[in-house]
Amino acid sequence: GAVVSQHPSWVICKSGTSVKIECRSLDFQATTMFWYRQFPKQSLMLMATSNEGSKATYEQGVEKDKFLINHASLTLSTLTVTSAHPEDSSFYICSAPVGGTDTQYFGPGTRLTVL
Amino acid sequence: QKEVEQDPGPLSVPEGAIVSLNCTYSNSAFQYFMWYRQYSRKGPELLMYTYSSGNKEDGRFTAQVDKSSKYISLFIRDSQPSDSATYLCAMLRWVGGSEKLVFGKGTKLTVNP
Repeated sequence: GAVVSQHPSWVICKSGTSVKIECRSLDFQATTMFWYRQFPKQSLMLMATSNEGSKATYEQGVEKDKFLINHASLTLSTLTVTSAHPEDSSFYICSAPVGGTDTQYFGPGTRLTVL
Repeated sequence: QKEVEQDPGPLSVPEGAIVSLNCTYSNSAFQYFMWYRQYSRKGPELLMYTYSSGNKEDGRFTAQVDKSSKYISLFIRDSQPSDSATYLCAMLRWVGGSEKLVFGKGTKLTVNP
């Protein structure tokens, strides 16, 4: 199946700092990528849709100025958590649909801990 | 009412048992139905994908969709300890030309040797 990677897999930062998470499609191009957040024992919640060459689309309740998304190329999307606070600690997962299908392949996730 | 409902379990079965996992949904706009498996601290892995009512089989896994009842199921035959994971149902619809995947809460399954 298609491979999606994320980096870093785990990050710990101090409150108030910014953290960048990368999502890459390794063997296919993705004009669209999705960013999810998953709190412990909760389901995945869609945060935003990342579009190559245009602005991201954010879900209701997600602050676009806090979660900056940049879809730099057809294989890379980045999520920057600005001025992170402890309540932003979560598991962030990206996904990308393989062209011509409606299935999304997920990255391994990034665990963010804000102290 | 949530769009997708899934019993979080936990579910514990002996090795070799048949496992039945279920989800219900309320939005008729969902057109595609998936099951993902998620191991602890890992991203979800796609197991099954279907878009019509009926059964779809892949090895020990069978996905069943009943659109009239808005009910989907995943059956695992001859369950193995390696099947121990959280199973997430997911359903896809389009919003403003963009696809949106909505997940259930996940059911945590433990298969005991």
